[in-house]
Amino acid sequence: DAGVIQSPRHEVTEMGQEVTLRCKPISGHNSLFWYRQTMMRGLELLIYFNNNVPIDDSGMPEDRFSAKMPNASFSTLKIQPSEPRDSAVYFCASSLYGARETQYFGPGTRLLVL
Amino acid sequence: DQQVKQNSPSLSVQEGRISILNCDYTNSMFDYFLWYKKYPAEGPTFLISISSIKDKNEDGRFTVFLNKSAKHLSLHIVPSQPGDSAVYFCAADASNFGNEKLTFGTGTRLTIIP
Repeated sequence: DAGVIQSPRHEVTEMGQEVTLRCKPISGHNSLFWYRQTMMRGLELLIYFNNNVPIDDSGMPEDRFSAKMPNASFSTLKIQPSEPRDSAVYFCASSLYGARETQYFGPGTRLLVL
Repeated sequence: DQQVKQNSPSLSVQEGRISILNCDYTNSMFDYFLWYKKYPAEGPTFLISISSIKDKNEDGRFTVFLNKSAKHLSLHIVPSQPGDSAVYFCAADASNFGNEKLTFGTGTRLTIIP
């Protein structure tokens, strides 16, 4: 299996622009997680899905962030409008089911908002 | 409020010696703990876990110890090898029927000196 695939790997954008991050989980995995990594706060869970249904989005910082999972093989995290404080590395991870099963992380998207 | 704390941002250890990484938590509801390891430009990978019903779990060179009364866990690596140089994240989860999610610390960068 190719593992969790994320695109793009790097994104540089200007403040106010829309940013869309994409994730393809491992086939057969039923849970998908979006995390954000910063120096100050480490890895923070933004939202997670079980069987394509959002279970907990309490980590989404504000209404500018939204996530969708239209099917079992694709998810997006959108930031609109983006702000410099959104600059971070965003990881997608998947597991067979749930947070306690081994989560397999993608390589991350490094986002820089100018 | 950081519920999982890794107070040492970095640690350097001589090759062959023991590496001890520490993690403290504040939420007494946490009952499952994990360590993830991260190399530069890659996503984190699962290393080892422990349930609160145990106080020790061992996997090869890696051992995790849990002290529930002190709300403290540690990861021991012995002997340390150059390939162990990475950032180590401690994570915790509280049973919450159908809503398990990991809370991560900020990470400790381990450098093994040859």
